[in-house]
Amino acid sequence: NAGVMQNPRHLVRRRGQEARLRCSPMKGHSHVYWYRQLPEEGLKFMVYLQKENIIDESGMPKERFSAEFPKEGPSILRIQQVVRGDSAAYFCASSQSRNTGELFFGEGSRLTVL
Amino acid sequence: AQKITQTQPGMFVQEKEAVTLDCTYDTSDPSYGLFWYKQPSSGEMIFLIYQGSYDQQNATEGRYSLNFQKARKSANLVISASQLGDSAMYFCAMRGAGTYKYIFGTGTRLKVLA
Repeated sequence: NAGVMQNPRHLVRRRGQEARLRCSPMKGHSHVYWYRQLPEEGLKFMVYLQKENIIDESGMPKERFSAEFPKEGPSILRIQQVVRGDSAAYFCASSQSRNTGELFFGEGSRLTVL
Repeated sequence: AQKITQTQPGMFVQEKEAVTLDCTYDTSDPSYGLFWYKQPSSGEMIFLIYQGSYDQQNATEGRYSLNFQKARKSANLVISASQLGDSAMYFCAMRGAGTYKYIFGTGTRLKVLA
């Protein structure tokens, strides 16, 4: 699925640095979701955003993690002061409406914290 | 609480044979959707098939079919005529009607043998 664009595909950071992951949803989609996949596990919901609004961030750690989806530009997942446990694949997905039958995923951004 | 269980961490199948990947779920929602995604070694999440809880017929998409047994709360994926390119991780997921969160299982790693 080339519609949802994520970058970078791979990111290496040292402990204490910041990681910024970007996601451009499919054309016409205004709903963006971030999921995290730890090694050998399924995806877990982090946050749901619409343009300029965070709708649900219940799956996101309270500290160091933040997300935004500005009026113009991609959605950004920001992780401050990364730790080794943040190493994971971060997937962005988008949908045309809130209760659509299918999520369209990007190819994921793989964060490695040294 | 919603839950997806995939009890097979790994499966082998001979090329050209059929294989069934198990998925059971738990939910109190009267209406929900069930999904299967494929994750090849390259990492992207590829949507395969969808089954709505009120659908009368089992979903089929090419070589993929979903064996939906509502009373048993199971939604097994059947892949017919396996191909080497089917080797991947397979995730079962669920979304309650009126919600946007997908709940994923831990996945089954399928290896197709030549």
